[in-house]
Amino acid sequence: GGIITQTPKFLIGQEGQKLTLKCQQNFNHDTMYWYRQDSGKGLRLIYYSITENDLQKGDLSEGYDASREKKSSFSLTVTSAQKNEMAVFLCASSRRRDEAPLFGEGTRLSVL
Amino acid sequence: GDSVTQTEGPVTVSESESLIINCTYSATSIAYPNLFWYVRYPGEGLQLLLKVITAGQKGSSRGFEATYNKETTSFHLQKASVQESDSAVYYCALGGQGGRALIFGTGTTVSVSP
Repeated sequence: GGIITQTPKFLIGQEGQKLTLKCQQNFNHDTMYWYRQDSGKGLRLIYYSITENDLQKGDLSEGYDASREKKSSFSLTVTSAQKNEMAVFLCASSRRRDEAPLFGEGTRLSVL
Repeated sequence: GDSVTQTEGPVTVSESESLIINCTYSATSIAYPNLFWYVRYPGEGLQLLLKVITAGQKGSSRGFEATYNKETTSFHLQKASVQESDSAVYYCALGGQGGRALIFGTGTTVSVSP
């Protein structure tokens, strides 16, 4: 079976720091996603990509960059971490955009 | 726009009682909405519970059921008799042709007491 691996599982940063989160999938899925999960706000789409080297902005893309250099990997960069920011970042992938994505276990971010 | 609204939690029920989590959607840019329920059990990742892609159809999994009602734009999740192991956070989601990616509700935390 396949797996979606997110690294790191926990990330502690300093205010203003640039932080990178990584995601790998071995399902050979075309589409990959980054969602942010805040308590009481559900999952909000940051970026998605429908194929290698493609990037599409979600509702929450400001303050983030993304990169899809290979079909199997999708990275997300927080360009300048905000003080007291706490959230879980979820990576997901699916064969097509209209299919139910599979999710990784998440990266929990804390900014001091 | 496209959106999902679901029951605000937390919801507490006793074991063997029935559970319903309401979900309604708005799909203005999605030609053929697909509806999903995801679940996150304590200590685990988010996983698909059930999905329905055709209006009027019912999906079921692990004793849960949800019917896609196009007239009322609803996709309520129900279980007749819950168990302690059903304690989790449940998310309703909307996707489909024309959509960018799944749109999620805010999640409903369910606690089942023994």
